[in-house]
Amino acid sequence: SAVISQKPSRDICQRGTSLTIQCQVDSQVTMMFWYRQQPGQSLTLIATANQGSEATYESGFVIDKFPISRPNLTFSTLTVSNMSPEDSSIYLCSATPALGGEKLFFGSGTQLSVL
Amino acid sequence: KQEVTQIPAALSVPEGENLVLNCSFTDSAIYNLQWFRQDPGKGLTSLLLIQSSQREQTSGRLNASLDKSSGRSTLYIAASQPGDSATYLCAGSDAGSYQLTFGKGTKLSVIP
Repeated sequence: SAVISQKPSRDICQRGTSLTIQCQVDSQVTMMFWYRQQPGQSLTLIATANQGSEATYESGFVIDKFPISRPNLTFSTLTVSNMSPEDSSIYLCSATPALGGEKLFFGSGTQLSVL
Repeated sequence: KQEVTQIPAALSVPEGENLVLNCSFTDSAIYNLQWFRQDPGKGLTSLLLIQSSQREQTSGRLNASLDKSSGRSTLYIAASQPGDSATYLCAGSDAGSYQLTFGKGTKLSVIP
């Protein structure tokens, strides 16, 4: 298993600002992901955080809006840039020890509200 | 692309009752199916993972089954307790893919 620490747990931000969310895993994992959960909706994958290279973004998500870093195997950050009220969501970091067929572990999430 | 549906969206039961949560998916080529629990304002906790070659998994009072031919999975909770109150999400992935497709969840309330 893996324990994932995510911070901040919540934040209230002003329109036009940026917020960086940090994710730390207690053991080495192969895959790290960032999800978004909008109010009343299911989780949507934003991107896969690749160690030492650019993240792989899903359709509808772009690097300029959601820059992601993963400098090593256990740490990743997601930045929500130039925020608008539509960005108000829960953002979740997740990780899996191996590609496919394995449990996905999640951080506790970041509740973001944009005024 | 896989689509996952969970019905009902909310369920309220008295303490001690056995209950079943339903999850349906559109593509029978689903590789694995996971059930998660989400408490308010919290992240997700993995409950059970049913891998490709398996039909069910059990953990304590929880039992999950997977029927690929019918496109359905169920999560059975025995002798429900107020502490079971949470939102339960199912998610499936395709072979060779790490991407999970989530349902919207069933919000369970167990009344003391």
